[in-house]
Amino acid sequence: DSGVTQTPKHLITATGQRVTLRCSPRSGDLSVYWYQQSLDQGLQFLIQYYNGEERAKGNILERFSAQQFPDLHSELNLSSLELGDSALYFCASSVGSQEQYFGPGTRLTVT
Amino acid sequence: DQQVKQNSPSLSVQEGRISILNCDYTNSMFDYFLWYKKYPAEGPTFLISISSIKDKNEDGRFTVFLNKSAKHLSLHIVPSQPGDSAVYFCAASALVPGANNLFFGTGTRLTVIP
Repeated sequence: DSGVTQTPKHLITATGQRVTLRCSPRSGDLSVYWYQQSLDQGLQFLIQYYNGEERAKGNILERFSAQQFPDLHSELNLSSLELGDSALYFCASSVGSQEQYFGPGTRLTVT
Repeated sequence: DQQVKQNSPSLSVQEGRISILNCDYTNSMFDYFLWYKKYPAEGPTFLISISSIKDKNEDGRFTVFLNKSAKHLSLHIVPSQPGDSAVYFCAASALVPGANNLFFGTGTRLTVIP
């Protein structure tokens, strides 16, 4: 158990809809990262927050947004969903070192 | 563009033998490298890392070797055990204060045969 929690575990929704994925980092970790893993692909970095502020951005679509709240949990919002958004979404956290600890992921299926 | 590459999608090894997983990278700014292990339906688990100032790091049965001139790293598992069967991801980052997102390879599925 990495100490990083993600909810929900599975999500099935229709095209055009909007969903919110939630992540709670390990106790004491200030950084939260979001990654997307599509079928048979490596993990692609989406966005990083550090203590409530956006710190780095990867290949995140404009339809996607994220935020980190004062209690350090983070939410990833995906809107106008398309079939190609179906993927595993992982959250990771770190205290500042370069080792990131990953949650179990949310499997999103868009039908 | 894929800055971290794992060219072998799968590898099978007999129990007790050595497993060698390879990884290549293209970005010379990368200075920290990590290996993660992933079981189905779980998130990646950190395994071992190496800084670019070293060429070898060892932790029990796991050793990571870094060849900076070749932009190549490898993970050695000795001896391999059936419980090591998983997908292994190589990852790299550049030391930018406060922003250390990881670039991942596409993974190598290791199967250790009892």
